[in-house]
Amino acid sequence: QSALTQPPSASGSPGQSVTISCTGASSDVGGYDYVSWYQQHPGRAPKLMIYEVSKRPSGVPDRFSGSKSGNTASLTVSGLQAEDEADYYCSSYAGSYTVVFGGGTKLTVL
Amino acid sequence: QVHLVESGGGVVQPGTSLRLSCAASGFTFRTSTMHWVRQAPGKGLEWVGFIWYDGSKTYYADSVKGRFTISRDISKNTLYLQMTSLSAEDTALYYCARDPDWGYSFDMWGQGTMVAVSS
Repeated sequence: QSALTQPPSASGSPGQSVTISCTGASSDVGGYDYVSWYQQHPGRAPKLMIYEVSKRPSGVPDRFSGSKSGNTASLTVSGLQAEDEADYYCSSYAGSYTVVFGGGTKLTVL
Repeated sequence: QVHLVESGGGVVQPGTSLRLSCAASGFTFRTSTMHWVRQAPGKGLEWVGFIWYDGSKTYYADSVKGRFTISRDISKNTLYLQMTSLSAEDTALYYCARDPDWGYSFDMWGQGTMVAVSS
């Protein structure tokens, strides 16, 4: 149950797009279409932004999109807004009824 | 409105036990699979384990297997996390979260309850 690998930080200016990667292995990210992404503002609980690689829950802006290629999943935030500044975590089903998270990426809106 | 409220956290000594609770409301608890996720201070999220909607099966992260037990009381709409042999590495904010059956994702989270293990 090794953590998925995310870049510690990412940044972009308002209106720009930014992509955050999440790298795992064939036993987790690459093996299942069960990748989720969470947004967490300081002092708040995480919020589900993307599930099953690319699906958005009701209420999540379509500026947020997800994709996957091989063992790497990605979250893209388009049209960056100040309120998008937060920590972002990926997670994946890892087989044998276990889940693994990424280490998190701090997104800064410049 | 879906609501999850954790309680039971506190400061405990190494080697002791603690039971956390998560009170659920606003959704059909008895048909929902539930997870525990923790977050050490200043660190990332760590999945702890989950319990099937009917309580028939539980699964755990290797880091807590054999020490933590997840259970639920349908009559009280409450999820539990029994923690034993606690160590400093268990110090974290513990969240309960609902699994909507969307590929092991968590669509609702409580506000968390803090557990600090210190001598």
